[in-house]
Amino acid sequence: IAGITQAPTSQILAAGRRMTLRCTQDMRHNAMYWYRQDLGLGLRLIHYSNTAGTTGKGEVPDGYSVSRANTDDFPLTLASAVPSQTSVYFCASSDSASGPTDTQYFGPGTRLTVL
Amino acid sequence: GEDVEQSLFLSVREGDSSVINCTYTDSSSTYLYWYKQEPGAGLQLLTYIFSNMDMKQDQRLTVLLNKKDKHLSLRIADTQTGDSAIYFCAESIGGSYIPTFGRGTSLIVHP
Repeated sequence: IAGITQAPTSQILAAGRRMTLRCTQDMRHNAMYWYRQDLGLGLRLIHYSNTAGTTGKGEVPDGYSVSRANTDDFPLTLASAVPSQTSVYFCASSDSASGPTDTQYFGPGTRLTVL
Repeated sequence: GEDVEQSLFLSVREGDSSVINCTYTDSSSTYLYWYKQEPGAGLQLLTYIFSNMDMKQDQRLTVLLNKKDKHLSLRIADTQTGDSAIYFCAESIGGSYIPTFGRGTSLIVHP
């Protein structure tokens, strides 16, 4: 069982390019999340999805979009990357978002550099 | 201001106890969490405490909650080099269990 995987591991991207970060989980979790981690700022929620077919905005959604066509996949798209989107991106999943024991499981992260 | 605040660094000697502190601002916080992030990895939930509890103990970990002062601490007994990591305090409020994270405290354990 892989758990939760992310691809690519790292990427260097020219400003203005479109980029999709992939996230897949095999735990049949209902809820999935995207965070960005920046030095000194901790983790900030970008978008989330409580269940397949629904998505919601987090704290810092601008410049990002997500889709949740099925339970397992939750891709994050940067339509036109900017240098301020340089960060480490973490995908997470949980059985639901309805209780504290619904532990969030985190992927290994994608390190994105926008030049 | 920040919803959840933590000091950025803590250095301890191996075998000593570590205490990582956190303050939060929202009195309606329902659950408070501690996560651990090892180098190059994602976050792992260590423990959580419900807001009507004062203390929770789990092996070497003790969580203390002072709801009046909105202060949360994580004590690690007999700290080992494997405990070196970034520790995140987080809170969730009301009906949402999506946590809001602090900036993280880097724990450095030296011999």
